[in-house]
Amino acid sequence: SQKIEQNSEALNIQEGKTATLTCNYTNYSPAYLQWYRQDPGRGPVFLLLIRENEKEKRKERLKVTFDTTLKQSLFHITASQPADSATYLCALERVPGGYNKLIFGAGTRLAVHP
Amino acid sequence: DTGVSQNPRHKITKRGQNVTFRCDPISEHNRLYWYRQTLGQGPEFLTYFQNEAQLEKSRLLSDRFSAERPKGSFSTLEIQRTEQGDSAMYLCASSLEETSGRSTDTQYFGPGTRLTVL
Repeated sequence: SQKIEQNSEALNIQEGKTATLTCNYTNYSPAYLQWYRQDPGRGPVFLLLIRENEKEKRKERLKVTFDTTLKQSLFHITASQPADSATYLCALERVPGGYNKLIFGAGTRLAVHP
Repeated sequence: DTGVSQNPRHKITKRGQNVTFRCDPISEHNRLYWYRQTLGQGPEFLTYFQNEAQLEKSRLLSDRFSAERPKGSFSTLEIQRTEQGDSAMYLCASSLEETSGRSTDTQYFGPGTRLTVL
C-alpha cells in the first residue's frame, strides 16, 4: 500500500522568506496529489491539487511541484507571513485508481516568525 | 454556513460509556467520510459513504464502532464501550463525486469532535 513521508520536524523561517515543505511517497505514482492546511484543533482545509501530468501548480503565494521520477512533491509558500503558521498535510490516493480514497501524511508544522 | 458541521465539538466520557457523534456534510455532496486523528499524525480513514451506502470500512473500525447515513444526508458515528485508546479527534469530510471521469475527491472537512475517554 501507499506510504507518505513528510518531515516530522517543524520548519521555522523568518517572515518574508520562502517556506518549502516536502512530501515523498514510496510506491506507485498517484494520479494526483493534494495539499491541506490544518490549524490546531481544527479540521484540514484543502489548498491545492496537482495531477500527475502537471509539473507545477500555483495559487497566489502557493506553489506545488510534482516529480513522479523522484516520487516527490514540494510545497512552497513565498513571502511567508506569521498567519501561514500551521501544519501542512500531503494527501494522495490510497490505491491505484482509488480516486475516492485518500491517505494523509503526518504533516509538517510550519512556524513563521516576525 | 454551507460548510461541514460536526457536533459536539468536544466530548468527555468515562471508559465503558457509549458516545455518538453527528456530521452534517455540505448539502450537495454525496460522499461522506469519517477519519480519526491523533496528536502528531495525519487523519486516518475509518469509513466512507456514497449516498446512504457504506462502501468501505477500515480495519481500524472495530466492532465497537458503527456509522450510519440513513437518508444520504447527515451521518452518525457511534462508539460503544469506549476505551482510553479511543481518545482522538474524529473528523468528518464530504466531497462531490465528479462525473467527468477525472475524479480527484477534494474533501471538505468539518471542525472535528475531540473525544476524551477518562
